[in-house]
Amino acid sequence: AQKVTQAQTEISVVEKEDVTLDCVYETRDTTYYLFWYKQPPSGELVFLIRRNSFDEQNEISGRYSWNFQKSTSSFNFTITASQVVDSAVYFCALRSNTGKLIFGQGTTLQVKP
Amino acid sequence: EAGVAQSPRYKIIEKRQSVAFWCNPISGHATLYWYQQILGQGPKLLIQFQNNGVVDDSQLPKDRFSAERLKGVDSTLKIQPAKLEDSAVYLCASSHRADNEKLFFGSGTQLSVL
Repeated sequence: AQKVTQAQTEISVVEKEDVTLDCVYETRDTTYYLFWYKQPPSGELVFLIRRNSFDEQNEISGRYSWNFQKSTSSFNFTITASQVVDSAVYFCALRSNTGKLIFGQGTTLQVKP
Repeated sequence: EAGVAQSPRYKIIEKRQSVAFWCNPISGHATLYWYQQILGQGPKLLIQFQNNGVVDDSQLPKDRFSAERLKGVDSTLKIQPAKLEDSAVYLCASSHRADNEKLFFGSGTQLSVL
């Protein structure tokens, strides 16, 4: 079975704090893709990053960084120096060989000024 | 570039009534998806179209849900008759053939069934 688990339902931090959102996935496929999407209050999901299963190199984009560890089936997302505009629901997702995108339940991040 | 357009933004109906949602994907995007997002959960794929053909509708409750994309551009999702458990946000997304992994989402239609 394929599954994505985001154990943190809600996280609240104060602006400028660093925060890490956890994502653990399950799949038997050898080739798969992992994603992070952001859902602000406006409702539309915004693509943040895609990583394929053969690329375990960590990635940094501005204040965002992602840590992919195949050994622990995790794909964690860190926001450095968080800002109020980072407040949103964040979804981790898995895309398997069948092409279906499977989302986790999401983590609601609240950044307080 | 215009994003994925959806309408209406909100809809309130009573159970057993019917409702329809409309989606216009990004121009040139061959693949169109309808997702259902129940409050507190991640989106769940209902149906995927490639041009005007159905690729995956395995999670679509076909006894009450239907969807079409007749000309391979915009799409309509219908629920008839609606049940209380259909209350959710219905998200439409599209992707380009050249980069099918990257989905662009609309703002969704929030449906409340009373």
